[in-house]
Amino acid sequence: KNQVEQSPQSLIILEGKNCTLQCNYTVSPFSNLRWYKQDTGRGPVSLTIMTFSENTKSNGRYTATLDADTKQSSLHITASQLSDSASYICVVRGASSNFGNEKLTFGTGTRLTIIP
Amino acid sequence: SAVISQKPSRDICQRGTSLTIQCQVDSQVTMMFWYRQQPGQSLTLIATANQGSEATYESGFVIDKFPISRPNLTFSTLTVSNMSPEDSSIYLCSAHRGPVNEQFFGPGTRLTVL
Repeated sequence: KNQVEQSPQSLIILEGKNCTLQCNYTVSPFSNLRWYKQDTGRGPVSLTIMTFSENTKSNGRYTATLDADTKQSSLHITASQLSDSASYICVVRGASSNFGNEKLTFGTGTRLTIIP
Repeated sequence: SAVISQKPSRDICQRGTSLTIQCQVDSQVTMMFWYRQQPGQSLTLIATANQGSEATYESGFVIDKFPISRPNLTFSTLTVSNMSPEDSSIYLCSAHRGPVNEQFFGPGTRLTVL
């Protein structure tokens, strides 16, 4: 069964500190992995998309890593800001011969709270 | 990126009534998707809406409860029928675009059923 597990479930850190969120998946065959940020009461917004051949991708203070061999990904947030408080969701798209109809498997998210 | 809007943004409804949620994408897309996000949970796919054909529903979701329309390539509606408190959730519209099918989401409709 395709699964995406994220850890920790929740995290509280001081403003300005760094943090790393983890994502382990069992989705196979694999197409790509995405990290989304979801503010309370809003829809998810894409941070990064990584395909099989990509190990690292950055988007400002967000850096995602992917190890396709171990089926692990991480999202590192540098110099956290209060606006980083949100849920971060790891989403894996499986590969399929029916391009455009591959299923997404969602993690349950990490709830990050930044305190001043 | 794609801009997706939804209406209403939130609603409070009585048990037994129905609510139709509208989703508008700023450009033509082949597939649109409807998700449900229950409190504290991640997203669950309800159905895939293709223009010109019936929606494809995921296990646990049926057309009688969640009828979907897709009249053109930029618009879709989801109706939550005969609502009960268990239907209280955030309903999200989504579409994908680009070479890696990047998935974009609407802002969601927060539904509370009393």
